[in-house]
Amino acid sequence: DTAVSQTPKYLVTQMGNDKSIKCEQNLGHDTMYWYKQDSKKFLKIMFSYNNKELIINETVPNRFSPKSPDKAHLNLHINSLELGDSAVYFCASSQDLGSGNTIYFGEGSWLTVV
Amino acid sequence: KQEVTQIPAALSVPEGENLVLNCSFTDSAIYNLQWFRQDPGKGLTSLLLIQSSQREQTSGRLNASLDKSSGRSTLYIAASQPGDSATYLCAVESGANNLFFGTGTRLTVIP
Repeated sequence: DTAVSQTPKYLVTQMGNDKSIKCEQNLGHDTMYWYKQDSKKFLKIMFSYNNKELIINETVPNRFSPKSPDKAHLNLHINSLELGDSAVYFCASSQDLGSGNTIYFGEGSWLTVV
Repeated sequence: KQEVTQIPAALSVPEGENLVLNCSFTDSAIYNLQWFRQDPGKGLTSLLLIQSSQREQTSGRLNASLDKSSGRSTLYIAASQPGDSATYLCAVESGANNLFFGTGTRLTVIP
């Protein structure tokens, strides 16, 4: 069983479209995250949620809206996609908000905006 | 703002060689430091986590050290194998649950 699973793995879409990436974890963790890895392989946190509540919201355009229907799911919705949104988006989870927890990552979603 | 740097960006070694990957960070006020492995087309796998109060952690052929005061960490891989080929990422936790990543070292172990 995949601990952190995200879909789709690959997504090619046109500028201006709206798309969603879904994420689910079956580890019973309270905290989930979205990270973005750009073309230079730089990984940066976008959001973190704890028990469905937003904890971290880094400087991300408001076209990006995370939604957590329950603590096992954290979906990422992106409106009006731009070329610069092309990247790999990683979902992750950890036990709770305490520091020092191992973070488990999904396999990534490759988004290409054309 | 925390900045994490990894040197070298890429490294090729013959199988069996011992090697060291370097990581440095600008703000020593960290909760912990983690080393991850990323395989092409895959997510990240946590290898070792060193709490800020610790100096090193070991797992099998891997040994990670942390010198918080100087803002440095090393990942030592003994007796490298072709299966170790991957990108190794260092990340520091500054602020609970907020990981700052380096850009990684791409390791190739040549059979």
